[in-house]
Amino acid sequence: EAQVTQNPRYLITVTGKKLTVTCSQNMNHEYMSWYRQDPGLGLRQIYYSMNVEVTDKGDVPEGYKVSRKEKRNFPLILESPSPNQTSLYFCASRRDREGYTFGSGTRLTVV
Amino acid sequence: QQPVQSPQAVILREGEDAVINCSSSKALYSVHWYRQKHGEAPVFLMILLKGGEQKGHEKISASFNEKKQQSSLYLTASQLSYSGTYFCGTEGSGGYNKLIFGAGTRLAVHP
Repeated sequence: EAQVTQNPRYLITVTGKKLTVTCSQNMNHEYMSWYRQDPGLGLRQIYYSMNVEVTDKGDVPEGYKVSRKEKRNFPLILESPSPNQTSLYFCASRRDREGYTFGSGTRLTVV
Repeated sequence: QQPVQSPQAVILREGEDAVINCSSSKALYSVHWYRQKHGEAPVFLMILLKGGEQKGHEKISASFNEKKQQSSLYLTASQLSYSGTYFCGTEGSGGYNKLIFGAGTRLAVHP
């Protein structure tokens, strides 16, 4: 089944404790992105990638890192999480000139 | 810059029609439309590309005015399953996967 798999689905962590949210797609898509969704603010792009080793900042990259060492994987790293990073996170992938397939989401709470 | 969606919310009876608008201040490569139901990931509906190409849902139609940087999503003969929040996403000229979403339009369809 064609899909984007994110893990974990839910995560509660403490301020400053490094964490990684994994994202993997099995559709051989070139494009991948991370978005965060907060009430009233819609989906805001954190980072995006056009292919292996090609990444760029979206609109809200502060406090996040990504890497794209393999085509299928695009992990999101929070080196020192803070409470303002509490949010719902979505990973997504697509080909150029096509729509996104989104993962199921990761609900992160930083206390 | 975030595209502007209107209206913010719509309430319909089953069978009625609705139009959701999306406007950008920048030249566009593509416009995407997605629907998100509560507690779920966004689902791709349609992409409209510079030059007139469209790909997507058979039962949903949309238009893209490249000169005005505007797009409209047409929901005809609405069904209960159409309820959710609709997002447009715009990709600037050249593409490159920087897809910025609007704040969303909430649609409720009642029997």
